[in-house]
Amino acid sequence: KAGVTQTPRYLIKTRGQQVTLSCSPISGHRSVSWYQQTPGQGLQFLFEYFSETQRNKGNFPGRFSGRQFSNSRSEMNVSTLELGDSALYLCASSQRGIYWVTGELFFGEGSRLTVL
Amino acid sequence: GQQLNQSPQSMFIQEGEDVSMNCTSSSIFNTWLWYKQDPGEGPVLLIALYKAGELTSNGRLTAQFGITRKDSFLNISASIPSDVGIYFCAGQLPSGGSNYKLTFGKGTLLTVNP
Repeated sequence: KAGVTQTPRYLIKTRGQQVTLSCSPISGHRSVSWYQQTPGQGLQFLFEYFSETQRNKGNFPGRFSGRQFSNSRSEMNVSTLELGDSALYLCASSQRGIYWVTGELFFGEGSRLTVL
Repeated sequence: GQQLNQSPQSMFIQEGEDVSMNCTSSSIFNTWLWYKQDPGEGPVLLIALYKAGELTSNGRLTAQFGITRKDSFLNISASIPSDVGIYFCAGQLPSGGSNYKLTFGKGTLLTVNP
């Protein structure tokens, strides 16, 4: 069974630009979560999508957005990039269902974003 | 927001030694997960715990869900060089409302000297 796939793995942008990251979850998983990882803040929750709906959101500014498609694939977008947005962005999929059931998150390898 | 205190922040041990790390919280969690992350990779799930007092093993790894539901422990026995990495604990708040996210500890950096 293929794991969570994230693209691109690495990218470099300049301040003010925008970026879109893509995530394909494990087959059959309908929940996709996004996390930002930095050395200083650790793993911070961005948002979770289930059935094309954002189900929960972390404490990030509106420049961070996401969406989920009918095939459960997800994208996140960061607009007007700032230097502080440099981070590893991790996508995780889960078998969580319509009614909240505790379940493990399976992470992709991440997209390493560098903002210059 | 919720915070997890993970300790120690780093460990430097000799191959063959046992390792212990833990996470504590002021909040009650109904799920504890332990992950390992290698450089440049995403976290990999090691052990999942769902019941207070639960003790679960995965090879040389053993984790426990604290009785108070506010802490969890991970032990690694007979460490080997490939155990090197960052270990994260993650807690899930009791369901209800929109508590779908995991809260992560800051990680424990483990270095194993051959």
